[in-house]
Amino acid sequence: SQQGEEDPQALSIQEGENATMNCSYKTSINNLQWYRQNSGRGLVHLILIRSNEREKHSGRLRVTLDTSKKSSSLLITASRAADTASYFCASLNTNAGKSTFGDGTTLTVKP
Amino acid sequence: EAGVAQSPRYKIIEKRQSVAFWCNPISGHATLYWYQQILGQGPKLLIQFQNNGVVDDSQLPKDRFSAERLKGVDSTLKIQPAKLEDSAVYLCASSLGTAYNSPLHFGNGTRLTVT
Repeated sequence: SQQGEEDPQALSIQEGENATMNCSYKTSINNLQWYRQNSGRGLVHLILIRSNEREKHSGRLRVTLDTSKKSSSLLITASRAADTASYFCASLNTNAGKSTFGDGTTLTVKP
Repeated sequence: EAGVAQSPRYKIIEKRQSVAFWCNPISGHATLYWYQQILGQGPKLLIQFQNNGVVDDSQLPKDRFSAERLKGVDSTLKIQPAKLEDSAVYLCASSLGTAYNSPLHFGNGTRLTVT
């Protein structure tokens, strides 16, 4: 099974609302990254949070990391139609030295 | 800076045929990755290169898949012979350093359909 698992699988909201996506992982990690993928395109890096960090902000994005629960969340505030995409977390396994992606959350923002 | 370039963009082949994908990473990026992304799933790492050496190919089906990175720059991924379950998007990514400190930059992928 995937190292990272996102929840929910799909999320539909109105423009202006906040969107929260969660990611759980199984093993000890060095860092966790969030990526966005628009339909038919490659993944775009959004934010990286290290295992010794608890929260990180970038514009309208806020990421939290709880290593005791092996989970992370991505919050997009004041969502826009352009935020419609799939969002993936990738956890870097400390021992394996490689990042493993979850199956993503598909976000739809209705104008 | 120019992004990661991949070609072709789409490929349709019959099972048992062979196919090759090409990737040109961002200039100066030492690490190159090939991922397979099946519809509705996240990317799965096939192989990782550091310069022109293989770092991880544990999930590469070596009986049919092969990859090389010439002179530590461009890379090709080959499938021979293809199976129906190989239908997927093949993504190339590169990073300046390792996964410990460098985000991955992805190309737009090659969508492979095996009929």
